Amino acid sequence: GENVEQHPSTLSVQEGDSAVIKCTYSDSASNYFPWYKQELGKRPQLIIDIRSNVGEKKDQRIAVTLNKTAKHFSLHITETQPEDSAVYFCAASESNMLTFGGGTRLMVKP
Amino acid sequence: GAVVSQHPSWVICKSGTSVKIECRSLDFQATTMFWYRQFPKQSLMLMATSNEGSKATYEQGVEKDKFLINHASLTLSTLTVTSAHPEDSSFYICSVETSGGARYEQYFGPGTRLTVT
Repeated sequence: GENVEQHPSTLSVQEGDSAVIKCTYSDSASNYFPWYKQELGKRPQLIIDIRSNVGEKKDQRIAVTLNKTAKHFSLHITETQPEDSAVYFCAASESNMLTFGGGTRLMVKP
Repeated sequence: GAVVSQHPSWVICKSGTSVKIECRSLDFQATTMFWYRQFPKQSLMLMATSNEGSKATYEQGVEKDKFLINHASLTLSTLTVTSAHPEDSSFYICSVETSGGARYEQYFGPGTRLTVT
């Protein structure tokens, strides 16, 4: 089955700096890579996703890149704000089942 | 996206009792729903795939006789934790699969926090 590794497990940045979270996956057949943001005690919220037919996607301050050859994808948050503080999960999917990474706790210090 | 609700949002039960958690898709007819479990500070772990009108598909290591799933309609799936034990205490989250052609996404419910005393 699919295996997704996520790094780092915790990330602390100053407000205004950029944050990068990286994930690797094992199943070359995976073709859908969503990213979720989860605040404490709440549901994961889809913030951006990318499919295997593109290498990069951007939505305002958030961007995701995908390298299919190396089987890794990354989340980039620019101009971080305190409200970006949360746990972020990457996931990979070949069919309709998601395999999640271990999560990254992002702390943005004002 | 789909709007997904869960009930209850939290529940405390005594060891040995059973607890039913409901997952509703409010604006989308979902043939497929997923149940996840999340322990504190850990990732979401898929427990089972719930298919409307058929038996659920359980992940390895998940006891189907302990975690009963019923998906009797396109808008409702239920997870019943039978003979609950303290180690079953966790955050249970359902999700709804929305798909159209080759595209699919999952939308999550707000979760149910179960505490077994």
